[in-house]
Amino acid sequence: RKEVEQDPGPFNVPEGATVAFNCTYSNSASQSFFWYRQDCRKEPKLLMSVYSSGNEDGRFTAQLNRASQYISLLIRDSKLSDSATYLCVVNKGARDDKIIFGKGTRLHILP
Amino acid sequence: DGGITQSPKYLFRKEGQNVTLSCEQNLNHDAMYWYRQDPGQGLRLIYYSQIVNDFQKGDIAEGYSVSREKKESFPLTVTSAQKNPTAFYLCASSQGTGLRYEQYFGPGTRLTVT
Repeated sequence: RKEVEQDPGPFNVPEGATVAFNCTYSNSASQSFFWYRQDCRKEPKLLMSVYSSGNEDGRFTAQLNRASQYISLLIRDSKLSDSATYLCVVNKGARDDKIIFGKGTRLHILP
Repeated sequence: DGGITQSPKYLFRKEGQNVTLSCEQNLNHDAMYWYRQDPGQGLRLIYYSQIVNDFQKGDIAEGYSVSREKKESFPLTVTSAQKNPTAFYLCASSQGTGLRYEQYFGPGTRLTVT
């Protein structure tokens, strides 16, 4: 199993729809999780942290499932501006500060 | 405005030449990082530094070197020993190390070596 795995997509979704995608991780000792957003040919930008209890920021909801070792990102009422690549970020383990970036999931919102 | 700057945005070099990419931050962050991103790939860590005058190798340090003489600056040298240097290079910083500190990225430098 890869350390961090994401479906590369692309996911083509009509504007206004709800879309969700997951990211699986292999190390059960991983403690910290983030979602970053990367626009084409730009730097990644932090979208949101993923807490054990789940968290919501406007139209975005992130959740953690430790038992199945995945995190998820849900986008409601999708906008054209949500089109981007979404990167999952996980730390290597409880004692390892290094982080691993997933290869990303490409999302295209269609008008 | 606080942030991270990388220059130049596009850099072209001939094979066999060393090249240094700059990274400056005015966020007063202790930790700084260099990543490389290839098309369709995730970010891979080259080097990181937790404090001035100290740095550690990441997963793909071969063919690269860094220095951290000042808190604000973390330049990366791509040496001629790096076999596939053409890539998008991203510098990041965080308040501390450990994933509880989010990393903030500079705009990146696209290096093309021919």
